[in-house]
Amino acid sequence: QVQLVQSGAEVKKAGASVKVSCKASGYNFTDYYMNWVRQAPGQGLEWMGVIHTSGGGTSYARKFQGRVTMTRDTSTNTVYMELSSLRSEDTAVYYCARGGFGNAFWSGEDYWGQGTLITVSS
Amino acid sequence: DIVMTQTPLSLSVTPGQPASMSCKSSQSLLHSDGKTYLYWYVQKAGQPPQLLIYEVSNRFSGVPERFSGSGSGTDFTLKISRVEAEDVGVYYCMQSRQLPGTFGQGTKLEIK
Repeated sequence: QVQLVQSGAEVKKAGASVKVSCKASGYNFTDYYMNWVRQAPGQGLEWMGVIHTSGGGTSYARKFQGRVTMTRDTSTNTVYMELSSLRSEDTAVYYCARGGFGNAFWSGEDYWGQGTLITVSS
Repeated sequence: DIVMTQTPLSLSVTPGQPASMSCKSSQSLLHSDGKTYLYWYVQKAGQPPQLLIYEVSNRFSGVPERFSGSGSGTDFTLKISRVEAEDVGVYYCMQSRQLPGTFGQGTKLEIK
């Protein structure tokens, strides 16, 4: 069965960087895109970006360009999301979500990681 | 970027009564492949979102028949025919017609 297992919660100082991992299993890793979505406390869902797990190409939301880097390791079926220059507004739960295949970065399936809480303190 | 606008932002419904919520996109979500890439999710407290509807009107596996999606182009609706207590949560629409993906701000469903 498809599983996405994310790394644990972290507390970071403002200005630091954080790297969250998402380990996939139960399917052919390089067949599907992987997206990252975040949710600040009491707020809505925010799409951050997507990585093509086969070729490594990425697309980021304008808001995060210059601060986010998504990478993947095909030897361990793991995707990483690194966010730099952290500020208090980055305190949120970060989710990975499996996307589609072919040209579809999102899909009518429903595979999400359990979420990783990143707390940014000043 | 495509902006997704949901209304109302909150909804309070008596169990057994219907509920309806709207999602409007700033551009058509109809792709040249003939599909319309509009999804509905519900998020319950402390959980990741759960897919209800994909491509406007297709119920995801295991989703009760009381949930239905409709619409086209830029105007979409999620209906619950008879609300149950377990339906409480925040409902989001999302588009993947083009990058970047974008979510609506959510409609919070409460039970009276």
